[in-house]
Amino acid sequence: EPEVTQTPSHQVTQMGQEVILRCVPISNHLYFYWYRQILGQKVEFLVSFYNNEISEKSEIFDDQFSVERPDGSNFTLKIRSTKLEDSAMYFCASKGGRGNQPQHFGDGTRLSIL
Amino acid sequence: QKEVEQDPGPLSVPEGAIVSLNCTYSNSAFQYFMWYRQYSRKGPELLMYTYSSGNKEDGRFTAQVDKSSKYISLFIRDSQPSDSATYLCAPTYNQGGKLIFGQGTELSVKP
Repeated sequence: EPEVTQTPSHQVTQMGQEVILRCVPISNHLYFYWYRQILGQKVEFLVSFYNNEISEKSEIFDDQFSVERPDGSNFTLKIRSTKLEDSAMYFCASKGGRGNQPQHFGDGTRLSIL
Repeated sequence: QKEVEQDPGPLSVPEGAIVSLNCTYSNSAFQYFMWYRQYSRKGPELLMYTYSSGNKEDGRFTAQVDKSSKYISLFIRDSQPSDSATYLCAPTYNQGGKLIFGQGTELSVKP
């Protein structure tokens, strides 16, 4: 069964450094998302991406964050200057374009900011 | 009022029990209702989803939505130790829209 894959599974970065989290969505999916989950808290929406542009973003997704679909298979989340509070699990999700199809999630990247 | 509320548990039941997991929500604009299961250090895994009010059954799992009372339920029959996980309800407004997750209910099924 096709799945969303995310790399790396764990990323450790110094505060202030830039980090790029990578995702390969399910082939032929058209909608792409990033969510995050701080330890012990609920999963929170960050941004959705459709037709090569951001369709919606949360207040968490400030100017430090950006997303890109550089080619036909990858979807990336960049955090420009990381802060301690960016430490969390980051989940990528994708969704097909037909009908009421649900979002499918990857297993996440655990981001640790030191 | 939070958009989506779930009792975080933990909920502990013996193997074979019927489990009832519930969510309430505040926004009447929600149209699609998802249930995800999340194992430790893994991503949310889709269990079931429904559109608008009504019931949907898939094997041992039944999802119910009552839009009049803004109440979502997931029932698990003949629960198994492998069902031990955190269960997340996640409604959304429209086809491509963001999911609004509840806190999740931690379920433990004891052999």
